[in-house]
Amino acid sequence: DVKVTQSSRYLVKRTGEKVFLECVQDMDHENMFWYRQDPGLGLRLIYFSYDVKMKEKGDIPEGYSVSREKKERFSLILESASTNQTSMYLCASSLQGPTTGELFFGEGSRLTVL
Amino acid sequence: GQNIDQPTEMTATEGAIVQINCTYQTSGFNGLFWYQQHAGEAPTFLSYNVLDGLEEKGRFSSFLSRSKGYSYLLLKELQMKDSASYLCAVRTYNFNKFYFGSGTKLNVKP
Repeated sequence: DVKVTQSSRYLVKRTGEKVFLECVQDMDHENMFWYRQDPGLGLRLIYFSYDVKMKEKGDIPEGYSVSREKKERFSLILESASTNQTSMYLCASSLQGPTTGELFFGEGSRLTVL
Repeated sequence: GQNIDQPTEMTATEGAIVQINCTYQTSGFNGLFWYQQHAGEAPTFLSYNVLDGLEEKGRFSSFLSRSKGYSYLLLKELQMKDSASYLCAVRTYNFNKFYFGSGTKLNVKP
């Protein structure tokens, strides 16, 4: 079974702190994604990556950056956390190519910024 | 941009059938997906349609009409454990990006 692991389930940070959210997948997937999920807004794409060292902005990249140095690992970075970044963050991965290509999600990281 | 609409909340009775609708407007359509998400958990994949028609998977079926920009998820013989949010997602040819609706919270009552 595909496993997507997020490093922290719950985090509490202060405004202005730098925050790292780590995600690792174990099935050699090319694509990796970071979403945030907020009530009434659904899942919104922050950044995604389709290859090592490649990254593309999603719909709400402001205030975030990402890093993909290895195929299995995709990190989300909040350079200076703000209260409006309090949210559930979901990492996902998928295969490229002629497959169903569904997303496999991690358990999520609930971030609270005080 | 992408626009995906689904009802916010529905209630149905155990043992009954429920249909959750999803309408979408998108460019570069490359498949429609349904996910189930229990409270506090990650979304899990339920079904996938890329061609028009009905896909059946046990108690769950999903339908797609690309010309109408419309899909539905049909849940039969509802069980209490089906109480969850159901997310409609469209994948596009642009880097295989997925766009999600806001989700439909389904409440199954005894």
